[in-house]
Amino acid sequence: DVKVTQSSRYLVKRTGEKVFLECVQDMDHENMFWYRQDPGLGLRLIYFSYDVKMKEKGDIPEGYSVSREKKERFSLILESASTNQTSMYLCASSFGGGDEKLFFGSGTQLSVL
Amino acid sequence: AQSVSQHNHHVILSEAASLELGCNYSYGGTVNLFWYVQYPGQHLQLLLKYFSGDPLVKGIKGFEAEFIKSKFSFNLRKPSVQWSDTAEYFCAVSHYGGATNKLIFGTGTLLAVQP
Repeated sequence: DVKVTQSSRYLVKRTGEKVFLECVQDMDHENMFWYRQDPGLGLRLIYFSYDVKMKEKGDIPEGYSVSREKKERFSLILESASTNQTSMYLCASSFGGGDEKLFFGSGTQLSVL
Repeated sequence: AQSVSQHNHHVILSEAASLELGCNYSYGGTVNLFWYVQYPGQHLQLLLKYFSGDPLVKGIKGFEAEFIKSKFSFNLRKPSVQWSDTAEYFCAVSHYGGATNKLIFGTGTLLAVQP
């Protein structure tokens, strides 16, 4: 089975801190994604990557950046955390090449105080 | 911009009742359509998908969905729900043939099935 692993299940940070969320997939997937999930808003795409060192903005990239130095790893960075970034963050990956089935990690619940 | 609307935010049913969850999308071109499900405490997982061909697609656990192009809809159905179907359901759409295949999700529908 495909495994998408997010490094932390729960994270508590202070306003202004730089936050790193890590995601690793073990199936050599081309595409990787970061979403945030908020009650009543569903999943909103922050950033995605379709190749190593390639990235594209999603629908809500403000306040975030990403890094993909290796194919299996996709990091989400909150440059200066703010309280409105308190959310559940979901990483996902897919094979690419037209196969759009997403495999999700278990999520990181981030609280910014 | 593409958008996905799920009109039912919360649905409460008794076991054995029939289920239909609405999903409408805004994009006018060729689309790929998906339903994902998140059971309590579990990862999001794919329930079913439509790429082309028969507009009635069948997924896991007895779910099916019908693509109606003229109505821009992709409603999810199940004839008889079970308590174990309690979950949050997300409709998603992607633009066929784009350079990258990002999915746009709806806001989700929370289904609670009472035993």
